[in-house]
Amino acid sequence: KAGVTQTPRYLIKTRGQQVTLSCSPISGHRSVSWYQQTPGQGLQFLFEYFSETQRNKGNFPGRFSGRQFSNSRSEMNVSTLELGDSALYLCASRDRDSPLHFGNGTRLTVT
Amino acid sequence: QKEVEQNSGPLSVPEGAIASLNCTYSDRGSQSFFWYRQYSGKSPELIMSIYSNGDKEDGRFTAQLNKASQYVSLLIRDSQPSDSATYLCAVSSGSARQLTFGSGTQLTVLP
Repeated sequence: KAGVTQTPRYLIKTRGQQVTLSCSPISGHRSVSWYQQTPGQGLQFLFEYFSETQRNKGNFPGRFSGRQFSNSRSEMNVSTLELGDSALYLCASRDRDSPLHFGNGTRLTVT
Repeated sequence: QKEVEQNSGPLSVPEGAIASLNCTYSDRGSQSFFWYRQYSGKSPELIMSIYSNGDKEDGRFTAQLNKASQYVSLLIRDSQPSDSATYLCAVSSGSARQLTFGSGTQLTVLP
């Protein structure tokens, strides 16, 4: 099976812009989770989607949003970018209660 | 607030030694426990999962779970320089099986 695919791998944006990240889960996996990873904060949970519904949400401002499509693909959007949003954004998928499988991540740099 | 605590390290062990990584969690109702390995600049990779009290062995890796003490550990026998990475403990809890990660322990195996 193909793994979790995230696009793009790298992004450079300026403050105030918005960005959309994409994630294709492992075939058959209906749950997709998003995490932000920074050196100081570690892995921070953003949200999880299951069957197109947000099932869990972390403590991030409303500028961070996501959605899931009927084919389980997911997108994450960050509006009004801030310098502190620079991070590695990781998408992970799982089947029911199975462990998470991570994609290679999107490294976002905000200047 | 569900918490997962790990010693941040860094932990250094000589090649061939046993590396011991520890993790405690606050939610007594947690059901599933995972260890991920993350190389610098890469995404986390699942190496062990454990669901019931006791030990689970997979090659050079042994996961140990003690639910009464809310403690999970990972032992790496015959440590190799290629084991040098950050090890993340993750705990699943709640009806939605939300995964909470510890901040990770950085392991260095010295040749």
